Amino acid sequence: QSVLTQPPSVSGAPGQRVILSCTGSNSNIGAGSDVHWYQQLPGAAPKLLIYLNTNRPLWAPARFSASRSGTSASLAITGLQTEDEADYYCQSYDNNLRGPVFGGGTKLTVL
Amino acid sequence: QVTLEESGPTLVKPTQTLTLTCTFSGFSLNTRGLGVAWIRQPPGKALEWLALIHWDNDKIYSPSLKSRLTITKDTSKNHVVLTMTNVDPVDTATYYCARRPRTSSYFFDYWGLGTLVTVSS
Repeated sequence: QSVLTQPPSVSGAPGQRVILSCTGSNSNIGAGSDVHWYQQLPGAAPKLLIYLNTNRPLWAPARFSASRSGTSASLAITGLQTEDEADYYCQSYDNNLRGPVFGGGTKLTVL
Repeated sequence: QVTLEESGPTLVKPTQTLTLTCTFSGFSLNTRGLGVAWIRQPPGKALEWLALIHWDNDKIYSPSLKSRLTITKDTSKNHVVLTMTNVDPVDTATYYCARRPRTSSYFFDYWGLGTLVTVSS
């Protein structure tokens, strides 16, 4: 059972917009801890996609964006592409556990 | 160019001690604010943070595994070593090391490719 809750799967057609959710609690996201997102392509290591809630590293395409509100955060992907098919993980810091915590991951399928 | 590479045994017997080494380049753990973490992923499952060591030798561990883990660094060799005692088949996973950048927040900007460790008799 992960500290951050993500839907196991989401799907969308090429060109569509999809939103992936990440739900935490008052000891992590709700306490103001930053949220970060990682993309894990099949058979590959995770790769940083969004950091500090809304920032994209240089290698992340502009079609990825993120936001947060209350105890939740979300990752939006616009103009869905077949190469976006991957697992996506949110991550934050938990004050009770005193360490980084990950979500259970969402598998994105591009139909 | 920042790179990290994990190394260690691919097969370990139950109750044994697992030792993994992360060899990194492109940065120094003498640099204020930087850290290196270990994160694992059982087959088909989610990521789990294990331990993190900082430039000043400050260390934090996952509460659920703290009693079994030790993380150390050798700055001269650009190594970070994770030791896990009394392994069990549930510890079978791909183990990643990753860099924590110099920020007040905890996240990981560069990752190694990972090393798969199987615990089996």
